[in-house]
Amino acid sequence: GQNIDQPTEMTATEGAIVQINCTYQTSGFNGLFWYQQHAGEAPTFLSYNVLDGLEEKGRFSSFLSRSKGYSYLLLKELQMKDSASYLCAVRDWDNAGNMLTFGGGTRLMVKP
Amino acid sequence: DAMVIQNPRYQVTQFGKPVTLSCSQTLNHNVMYWYQQKSSQAPKLLFHYYDKDFNNEADTPDNFQSRRPNTSFCFLDIRSPGLGDAAMYLCATSSGAGAGYNEQFFGPGTRLTVL
Repeated sequence: GQNIDQPTEMTATEGAIVQINCTYQTSGFNGLFWYQQHAGEAPTFLSYNVLDGLEEKGRFSSFLSRSKGYSYLLLKELQMKDSASYLCAVRDWDNAGNMLTFGGGTRLMVKP
Repeated sequence: DAMVIQNPRYQVTQFGKPVTLSCSQTLNHNVMYWYQQKSSQAPKLLFHYYDKDFNNEADTPDNFQSRRPNTSFCFLDIRSPGLGDAAMYLCATSSGAGAGYNEQFFGPGTRLTVL
C-alpha cells in the first residue's frame, strides 16, 4: 500500500507564492496527481507528474522527485479563489486499474 | 459538454432505510469509481468497475453494493445506512488502466445525511 503525507493546513497572502509539499511511500510508483477541491465540491484535476522535474501550467507548477518520494505544488500570484483543499494522490503499479490513493489534503487559506 | 453527473446532489435517508445514489457519464470511459469522503478527510475508494468487472476494496463494508448496467451508468446502493455512513459520495471515471496519463474525472458528489 501507500503512505502519503501532506500538511493539514497552510495560510498565505493574496499575491504571494505558496508551496504545498507531499511525501509518499509506495512499492510501485506509477504517477502522482494533484487535485484542487473547494468546500462541498468535487476534486478537480490540476497536474500530473510521472517523471522527475517540474511541470508548469499557468500559475500552478508541480515538481516530482521519485528517488526522494517527494512532490510539491507551487501556486503563484495567489488569488482569494485559490482558498481550497489540495489533494496529493499517488497511483501504484500494484493497484489494478487506474486507482489512486489520496493524501489527507492540505487546506489552503488565502488572506487579503 | 462531456461530464460526470451525480443525482441527487443532496440525499437524506433514515437510519437503516436503503438508499441508492446514481452516477452517469457522457465521457464513454470504461472505468468508474465510487469514493466516500468524510469531512476534512481524503476520498476513500470503495470500489471500481473496469468495464463490467467489479473490483471491491478489501475494507469496503458489505453494506455497500454497486451496479453498472451499462457503460454510462453506475449505482451505489447502501443497504442499511448507519449514522457513520453520512458523507460525500464521489463518482469518478477514467479512460482505462495501465501506464500513461489517465486522469480521473469527478462528478459533483452526493452529500448523504442519515437521520
